[in-house]
Amino acid sequence: NAGVMQNPRHLVRRRGQEARLRCSPMKGHSHVYWYRQLPEEGLKFMVYLQKENIIDESGMPKERFSAEFPKEGPSILRIQQVVRGDSAAYFCASSPTQGAMNTGELFFGEGSRLTVL
Amino acid sequence: KQEVTQIPAALSVPEGENLVLNCSFTDSAIYNLQWFRQDPGKGLTSLLLIQSSQREQTSGRLNASLDKSSGRSTLYIAASQPGDSATYLCAVGSYGNKLVFGAGTILRVKS
Repeated sequence: NAGVMQNPRHLVRRRGQEARLRCSPMKGHSHVYWYRQLPEEGLKFMVYLQKENIIDESGMPKERFSAEFPKEGPSILRIQQVVRGDSAAYFCASSPTQGAMNTGELFFGEGSRLTVL
Repeated sequence: KQEVTQIPAALSVPEGENLVLNCSFTDSAIYNLQWFRQDPGKGLTSLLLIQSSQREQTSGRLNASLDKSSGRSTLYIAASQPGDSATYLCAVGSYGNKLVFGAGTILRVKS
């Protein structure tokens, strides 16, 4: 059973370009979460998605950031017109469908490290 | 607003020593608490998950306790090994599985 898969693992962009980060949850998981870890800081919640729905985006910056989790395919975190302050590690986590099987435990991917030049 | 604090920020111990990492949180209305390990440049590995109705969980040399009323959790590592060197993160879960993380404790176990 493959874990949470994120790609790319490393991404370099110049200021003003777009960054797209992808996350495939664990098999059987329909809940996806994105977290950001800025240099020398802790992980901060960004957004919580289920298939085709954004459940909680309270941690997302108001501009330039968007996330989706389509019916088919991975979840995408998109950052438009990147700035140097966007340089960080972006982690995706997944959890099983709500219900008796869901203990609330999150399983994290290896992260995507974005560097903005 | 939930805030999670981890003490100490860094810890260096000789191999074989037993050690305790501390985590405190401000809002006791939690769903669960998770301890993670993060190696440099790597992702997070889940170590232990404690539900809000539980007092402790054990896995091998690791034991985590939870005291909701006082807003505290501890991670106990027995007989530490150099391979235990990593950053240990405490995260408090609320409804909807949204985790609030502490800043972590950087552990170094010297051989």
